[in-house]
Amino acid sequence: EPEVTQTPSHQVTQMGQEVILRCVPISNHLYFYWYRQILGQKVEFLVSFYNNEISEKSEIFDDQFSVERPDGSNFTLKIRSTKLEDSAMYFCASTSYGYTFGSGTRLTVV
Amino acid sequence: QQPVQSPQAVILREGEDAVINCSSSKALYSVHWYRQKHGEAPVFLMILLKGGEQKGHEKISASFNEKKQQSSLYLTASQLSYSGTYFCGTASSGNTGKLIFGQGTTLQVKP
Repeated sequence: EPEVTQTPSHQVTQMGQEVILRCVPISNHLYFYWYRQILGQKVEFLVSFYNNEISEKSEIFDDQFSVERPDGSNFTLKIRSTKLEDSAMYFCASTSYGYTFGSGTRLTVV
Repeated sequence: QQPVQSPQAVILREGEDAVINCSSSKALYSVHWYRQKHGEAPVFLMILLKGGEQKGHEKISASFNEKKQQSSLYLTASQLSYSGTYFCGTASSGNTGKLIFGQGTTLQVKP
């Protein structure tokens, strides 16, 4: 069964550093998303991406966040200057119907 | 706005049934259901579309009352593998739009 692949699985970074989270969505899917989940809490929408541009973003997705699809297969989320409260599990998802989530990147900001 | 799920937690014995409810204050286009096991990604179970179409898992069923903006997930003859946290996700426009997830319902199935 096709999978959404995320790397790295775990990233520890110092506050103020930039991080890039990577995702390879399912190849024939057209819609891509980033969600995050703070430990033990609900899954929160960050951004949706379609036709090489952001289609919708949440209030969480401020100027510190950006997304790119640099080469037609990878889909990246960049956090420019990480804060302690950015610590969470970040999930990439792609969809043609129901969402397929990647296994996530656990980001720890220290 | 975030949909509200009830109950927050359920404990069952194997073979028992459970119902998880999801309620929204907004008009909905679709409702998705996902199960998440500890430390893993959410896994798609079912989607219910406005107009009555639904697709999903064989042993799990669901209903969608568009007028009341409510959905219920029915887990029958529960198995140990059903344990996890169930999230409903609601979309207000199109079935490929963003989902807003409820706070989750934790289901524990005991032998």
